Amino acid sequence: KAGVTQTPRYLIKTRGQQVTLSCSPISGHRSVSWYQQTPGQGLQFLFEYFSETQRNKGNFPGRFSGRQFSNSRSEMNVSTLELGDSALYLCASSLGAGGSREQYFGPGTRLTVT
Amino acid sequence: KQEVTQIPAALSVPEGENLVLNCSFTDSAIYNLQWFRQDPGKGLTSLLLIQSSQREQTSGRLNASLDKSSGRSTLYIAASQPGDSATYLCAAHMNRDDKIIFGKGTRLHILP
Repeated sequence: KAGVTQTPRYLIKTRGQQVTLSCSPISGHRSVSWYQQTPGQGLQFLFEYFSETQRNKGNFPGRFSGRQFSNSRSEMNVSTLELGDSALYLCASSLGAGGSREQYFGPGTRLTVT
Repeated sequence: KQEVTQIPAALSVPEGENLVLNCSFTDSAIYNLQWFRQDPGKGLTSLLLIQSSQREQTSGRLNASLDKSSGRSTLYIAASQPGDSATYLCAAHMNRDDKIIFGKGTRLHILP
């Protein structure tokens, strides 16, 4: 069974631009969560989607948004990029949502904002 | 505020030694505690998941324990090998808001 895949793996953008990252979960998994990882803050939860609905959200500004498609693939979008948005963006999939569940992570997208 | 802390931030030990990594969490109302491994620039690999009703889980040379009442989990690595060098993260899945909170990790270096 294929793991979680993320595209692209690396991205360089300029301040003020916007970016879209993609995540394909493990086949059969319906929940996708997104995280931002930086050296200073560590891993921080962005949002979680299940059945095309956002069911949970972290403490990030509205410039960060996401969506999930009927095939469970998810995208996250960051508008008006800032230098501080440079990070490794990780997505994780799980079978269901709510209650105890194991998360499986993708390799991440390394975003550099210049 | 829910917090997960990992101490130490970095650890170097000679090959062959047994070692323990620590994880503490402020809110004991958790669904589970999960340990991950992360190699430089890569994603996270799940090592062990302990449900809130369990005390420990084992996989090969790894053993993770959970003490909810004291808000602590440990990851025990037996007979360490250079290939174990990586950053180890723990994550607590909170009942209260269904969020998963990560510690900042322990960077482990096994000396050949």
